[in-house]
Amino acid sequence: KNQVEQSPQSLIILEGKNCTLQCNYTVSPFSNLRWYKQDTGRGPVSLTIMTFSENTKSNGRYTATLDADTKQSSLHITASQLSDSASYICVVSAGSGGSYIPTFGRGTSLIVHP
Amino acid sequence: ETGVTQSPTHLIKTRGQQVTLRCSSQSGHNTVSWYQQALGQGPQFIFQYYREEENGRGNFPPRFSGLQFPNYSSELNVNALELDDSALYLCASSLAEGGVDNEQFFGPGTRLTVL
Repeated sequence: KNQVEQSPQSLIILEGKNCTLQCNYTVSPFSNLRWYKQDTGRGPVSLTIMTFSENTKSNGRYTATLDADTKQSSLHITASQLSDSASYICVVSAGSGGSYIPTFGRGTSLIVHP
Repeated sequence: ETGVTQSPTHLIKTRGQQVTLRCSSQSGHNTVSWYQQALGQGPQFIFQYYREEENGRGNFPPRFSGLQFPNYSSELNVNALELDDSALYLCASSLAEGGVDNEQFFGPGTRLTVL
């Protein structure tokens, strides 16, 4: 069974600090891994996408890493801002040739305090 | 804001009723996926439609069904509603070409409450 586990479940940090969120997965056959940001009551918004051959991808203050051997990914947020308060979801897609099934993690709830 | 729209925004139904949720995909996209997100959980994949055909299905019973129209908009139908069907239903559209899994753009969701 394909699974995506995220940690921590929730995190509180002060504005300006850095943080790292973790994602472990057991998904086969692996296609890609995405990190999404989801504000409360809104649809998720894509931050990064990585395929098997990529081990790091940046999007502004967000940097994602992927270790396909250990099946682990992390999302590092630099110099956090109040607007970073949201749920961060790791999504791993399995499949090939046009049919892909995504498995979502439960998300990490990040709260940034002033 | 993405170009994906969903209607209605909120909906209240009673157990046993049927519901239809609608999604208009982003211009130029040919694939629509539906997800169920319970409170405090990550989204769960229901199914995906590509060029009007179901192209993958998650672990949901047959009372969850869907349609995709020639303009690539889509409907999610749920029959015999149960209390556990209360959730945020998300629609995401993407452009599938050459067998590549491209980025999905999510709509704002429909909040369904079953009483």
